[in-house]
Amino acid sequence: EDQVTQSPEALRLQEGESSSLNCSYTVSGLRGLFWYRQDPGKGPEFLFTLYSAGEEKEKERLKATLTKKESFLHITAPKPEDSATYLCAVQARGVQGAQKLVFGQGTRLTINP
Amino acid sequence: GAVVSQHPSRVICKSGTSVKIECRSLDFQATTMFWYRQFPKKSLMLMATSNEGSKATYEQGVEKDKFLINHASLTLSTLTVTSAHPEDSSFYICSARGEMWGTTQYFGPGTRLTVL
Repeated sequence: EDQVTQSPEALRLQEGESSSLNCSYTVSGLRGLFWYRQDPGKGPEFLFTLYSAGEEKEKERLKATLTKKESFLHITAPKPEDSATYLCAVQARGVQGAQKLVFGQGTRLTINP
Repeated sequence: GAVVSQHPSRVICKSGTSVKIECRSLDFQATTMFWYRQFPKKSLMLMATSNEGSKATYEQGVEKDKFLINHASLTLSTLTVTSAHPEDSSFYICSARGEMWGTTQYFGPGTRLTVL
């Protein structure tokens, strides 16, 4: 069964304190791993798509990396506005062959000023 | 980037009534649209997948007759919650995928449904 596990569940950092969020996955044939950011009461905002082990992508203070079993979202010198829930998802094959996203539970990140 | 809108953003209705939620892709043609449900402090749960002009594919455990999905055009999908009950209260989010974006799904802002 396709599964995504994110850790830690919640993380509090001081402004400027760099860290990493983890996403471990098991999926039969990875067709894409996705990172989203979700603010309370809003829909997920797309951050990155990774397709193969070794791939890396960057956007401002965020950098996503991918291995065969996990992905990391590195956040460098975070600011309070980076506070959000970060969701990881993998593309899997759903009912009747339809492709669907399987989400992890998310990491709730809080950056204190 | 791709923009997806939802309307309404919030709706409050009485038990037994039906509610329609619209999902639109504003700047691209969405070959596939998805409907999710999210409970407080939980992750997204896929309800159904719809392709333009064809019947939606529902996930196991999702009642087709309760959650009617129509994908009438390449930019519009609707979710109708029929005979809503308090247990249907939730945050409903749609997403859309277009050929130019590959496998990436772009999400709408969500609709908060409260059934009294």
